Amino acid sequence: EAGVTQFPSHSVIEKGQTVTLRCDPISGHDNLYWYRRVMGKEIKFLLHFVKESKQDESGMPNNRFLAERTGGTYSTLKVQPAELEDSGVYFCASSLLGQGEDYGYTFGSGTRLTVV
Amino acid sequence: AQSVSQHNHHVILSEAASLELGCNYSYGGTVNLFWYVQYPGQHLQLLLKYFSGDPLVKGIKGFEAEFIKSKFSFNLRKPSVQWSDTAEYFCAVNPYGNNRLAFGKGNQVVVIP
Repeated sequence: EAGVTQFPSHSVIEKGQTVTLRCDPISGHDNLYWYRRVMGKEIKFLLHFVKESKQDESGMPNNRFLAERTGGTYSTLKVQPAELEDSGVYFCASSLLGQGEDYGYTFGSGTRLTVV
Repeated sequence: AQSVSQHNHHVILSEAASLELGCNYSYGGTVNLFWYVQYPGQHLQLLLKYFSGDPLVKGIKGFEAEFIKSKFSFNLRKPSVQWSDTAEYFCAVNPYGNNRLAFGKGNQVVVIP
């Protein structure tokens, strides 16, 4: 089966610009998660979708970040306006409903965002 | 604060050497435990996981990990590494009933041929 796909793989933008990251989960996976790794730090949870609904968005750093999941399929994460501290690698992961961390979900390769 | 600790963030060793990576967590109660690996240019992959039962867990590629509840630890081991084990290794904890993973900072392991 196809894995979790994220694009772009790399993005370099200027401070103040807008960037949209996309994640295509494995088909049929209702759980979708976003995580972020800032350089030198641990990977941190951002939010969790179940189908199109936000189950937990407590990890979102501030209101410059907006995540959506259209029709319960792919998800986008928009950063507007981007700040220097938003630089990092953004990971997406998906799993079947009823699975998730208990079973180890499937990660994408990540999007490396650099804000200059 | 609740956290996951991984020490020795950069490890360099020769092929055939033994590898042990430490992982300690500070969450109370029941937890699920994981080790993930990220090979250069690839996505995070699950190496092994522990939910319950035998505290010695065997994973892919000859890796194993031991859960020691009294020490809040879940250390990863491999008796004899290969050059292809060069990667970054992440310990992760899922507190029971929570939908998120808490990761450690990772261990960058370089195996010299």
